[in-house]
Amino acid sequence: EAQVTQNPRYLITVTGKKLTVTCSQNMNHEYMSWYRQDPGLGLRQIYYSMNVEVTDKGDVPEGYKVSRKEKRNFPLILESPSPNQTSLYFCASSLGTGTLYNEQFFGPGTRLTVL
Amino acid sequence: AQKITQTQPGMFVQEKEAVTLDCTYDTSDPSYGLFWYKQPSSGEMIFLIYQGSYDQQNATEGRYSLNFQKARKSANLVISASQLGDSAMYFCAMTVRTGTALIFGKGTTLSVSS
Repeated sequence: EAQVTQNPRYLITVTGKKLTVTCSQNMNHEYMSWYRQDPGLGLRQIYYSMNVEVTDKGDVPEGYKVSRKEKRNFPLILESPSPNQTSLYFCASSLGTGTLYNEQFFGPGTRLTVL
Repeated sequence: AQKITQTQPGMFVQEKEAVTLDCTYDTSDPSYGLFWYKQPSSGEMIFLIYQGSYDQQNATEGRYSLNFQKARKSANLVISASQLGDSAMYFCAMTVRTGTALIFGKGTTLSVSS
């Protein structure tokens, strides 16, 4: 089944404790992206990757890191989480750029709480 | 800069009625794509419908149709014959040119009652 998976689905952590949220897709997609969703703000892009070893900042990159060492994986790293990073996080993937019909397939979401 | 505006925080409709969810967009790029996503209470994002800026006809997908008015820069979602399962948050989103980022509106919560 074609899908985007994220782990963990739920995480409660404390300020300053490094964490990684994994994202994997099995559709051989070039493009992957991370979004965060906050009430009243919709979804905002954190980072994106257009291919292996190619990553770039989205609208709200502060406090996050990403890497794309393999095509299928795109982990999100919070080196020193803070309470303002409490949010619902989505990973998404799509075939790639060059077309407007770039339907993005979303993972199930990771609900992160930073105390 | 690109922007999506959804002015209706919440909408209420009865079963079997049609409902229109508003979306206006702002971009100076002539090439763009417009998407609608549904997010039920379980949290996942479900793709509903797509409209390209060069598409001549309004997109339709089952009970969903997109009322695309280019001159007014609006891309309203019309749901015909609402069902209880349509209760969810709905997001309008846009991508421009090379289709990298999706720019989302703030969403509209739709509540369908029996």
